[in-house]
Amino acid sequence: IQLTQSPSSLSASVGDRVTITCRASQDISSYLAWYQQKPGQAPRLLLYTTSTLQSGVPSRFSGSGSGTDFTLTISSLQPEDSATYYCQRLNTYPPWTFGRGTKLEIK
Amino acid sequence: EVQLVESGGGLVQPGGSLRLSCVASGFLLSEYSMNWARQAPGKGLEWVSYSNSGSSVIHYADSVKGRFTISRDNAKNSLYLQMNSLRAEDTAVYYCTRGRPTNYLDYWGQGTLVTVSS
Repeated sequence: IQLTQSPSSLSASVGDRVTITCRASQDISSYLAWYQQKPGQAPRLLLYTTSTLQSGVPSRFSGSGSGTDFTLTISSLQPEDSATYYCQRLNTYPPWTFGRGTKLEIK
Repeated sequence: EVQLVESGGGLVQPGGSLRLSCVASGFLLSEYSMNWARQAPGKGLEWVSYSNSGSSVIHYADSVKGRFTISRDNAKNSLYLQMNSLRAEDTAVYYCTRGRPTNYLDYWGQGTLVTVSS
């Protein structure tokens, strides 16, 4: 199963609504997670099972989708959201594939 | 507080071996599945290996199958990755991660860098 993220990079302004897409090569139901990674840091879990917010993650982050098409939305972009975002296929069996990432920059 | 601390990375020649360790604190390793993931310099994330809590279910990415071995010592709250027959393409930061149901990864270590070069 391949995960294709789009766009590969984007630039947006503080306060903007930002959407990142992850498309699976086959139906993965709701088995998708999103991670945020800042330079020099380990990834951080944002959402799992498509839309469940991990504890401590701001509510401006949300996820939606099912089957093959998923989105990560940041409702009001903040300066600290500058990072690379990855989607990951979940399930009880491998491979637990990651998307290639979307680099988000603040204008 | 949950913490994962990796060690054991370094420079190794192609064909060589290295053993990575990950010490967990703030939770009992015996109650959780664990994974290794990696990230080549300037590249994306790659899942490498999985062990369920009792080590009865183990999986590897095709890219490392037959060369890497995941193990754990629950008494020491530690996870390991034995890496043999290392190749240049194994050069990466290796992360120890905790797996939850369906294997979303809720905690990550800071990573340890493995460089395979002559």
